[in-house]
Amino acid sequence: DAGITQSPRHKVTETGTPVTLRCHQTENHRYMYWYRQDPGHGLRLIHYSYGVKDTDKGEVSDGYSVSRSKTEDFLLTLESATSSQTSVYFCAISESAPEGSAEAFFGQGTRLTVV
Amino acid sequence: AQKVTQAQTEISVVEKEDVTLDCVYETRDTTYYLFWYKQPPSGELVFLIRRNSFDEQNEISGRYSWNFQKSTSSFNFTITASQVVDSAVYFCALREGNTPLVFGKGTRLSVIA
Repeated sequence: DAGITQSPRHKVTETGTPVTLRCHQTENHRYMYWYRQDPGHGLRLIHYSYGVKDTDKGEVSDGYSVSRSKTEDFLLTLESATSSQTSVYFCAISESAPEGSAEAFFGQGTRLTVV
Repeated sequence: AQKVTQAQTEISVVEKEDVTLDCVYETRDTTYYLFWYKQPPSGELVFLIRRNSFDEQNEISGRYSWNFQKSTSSFNFTITASQVVDSAVYFCALREGNTPLVFGKGTRLSVIA
């Protein structure tokens, strides 16, 4: 199994509070991603990173920020949590491979509830 | 823009039936990769297969097979003689170059004993 750890695995937080989710990898892969999974929407990309300090927005980036100060860690921050951000969050990693051939490996997910 | 459509939201079959999960994609690139992932009730996402745009050969792995047809922009997944353990949500995904994977909305398969 790919070495990806998400923390926390479960969190309940109040509306308006900041929340940070952590993704840690031991594979030294270049790319890291944050997706959210919601019923009827599948997996949607929030932000991704293509190297240390190199990040870009995904499809649903509003209300989220990310940071990657080390290869192994990719942090997702909800600056002021809202109920619409209640979701399951998945971190994924992939190596750099010709023409995008590398599959992504996923963490176990973090279930976040905003009340 | 990349897009993946899985038109079947939910499918229910009786054990030992064959079932096909449809995946249709849109891309402007000539070089791309297609993927299938499985998400069992435990919630993790499991990689099943990767196929590149230049290889239209069908692939078989045990009871699983995949049919890639560029002419119809489809990458369908068939499970032969389904089993209860196949019950899961299945996602099809597309990747152009080293961009992030774009996923379909998933198909929930229920296999009834």
